[in-house]
Amino acid sequence: ETGVTQTPRHLVMGMTNKKSLKCEQHLGHNAMYWYKQSAKKPLELMFVYNFKEQTENNSVPSRFSPECPNSSHLFLHLHTLQPEDSALYLCASSQERDDNYGYTFGSGTRLTVV
Amino acid sequence: AQSVTQLDSHVSVSEGTPVLLRCNYSSSYSPSLFWYVQHPNKGLQLLLKYTSAATLVKGINGFEAEFKKSETSFHLTKPSAHMSDAAEYFCVVSERGRGSYIPTFGRGTSLIVHP
Repeated sequence: ETGVTQTPRHLVMGMTNKKSLKCEQHLGHNAMYWYKQSAKKPLELMFVYNFKEQTENNSVPSRFSPECPNSSHLFLHLHTLQPEDSALYLCASSQERDDNYGYTFGSGTRLTVV
Repeated sequence: AQSVTQLDSHVSVSEGTPVLLRCNYSSSYSPSLFWYVQHPNKGLQLLLKYTSAATLVKGINGFEAEFKKSETSFHLTKPSAHMSDAAEYFCVVSERGRGSYIPTFGRGTSLIVHP
């Protein structure tokens, strides 16, 4: 276990469904990230939160809606997704001070949109 | 703006032989650099990191990387490959964005280890 827990591990949803991905960290980190990992493409940064405030939105479609209620929890709400949204969604956290100490990743949620 | 280029999409070695995974980066400032490994159906694990201290960085599982500013490179090496090293490897450069450090990933290098 890395200290970053993602649930569920696998999710199959229809294009009209609404679902949420959850990420939780107990490392005392203040920054949290959502990444999308598709086959044959580089990891795509989606959102960044620092002390619960969204600091980056990497031109993500509005059918993906993040929520960060506190520094330990991060959600990704999904609605009316498309088949091309099928991917591995990874959550990461980091402790940011003056230097960059690296990122701790969860195991990901494998999402399939049918 | 920052970017990362992993020069090889696949690297194939025999068990017990050296490993070299190449990474070049571009960055506007003094970057932080990382190597991550991803085994099949798993998340990413930090192998090692460079954050402006020693240029030769030692990581887990016998991996090392050397930061060469003049060549803008951060190549990953291991003297002797093991079957368990077979995985996807990602080079990452990180700079501070508007509010946080923003990591940019390379496309990944798949390491194949033959018996």
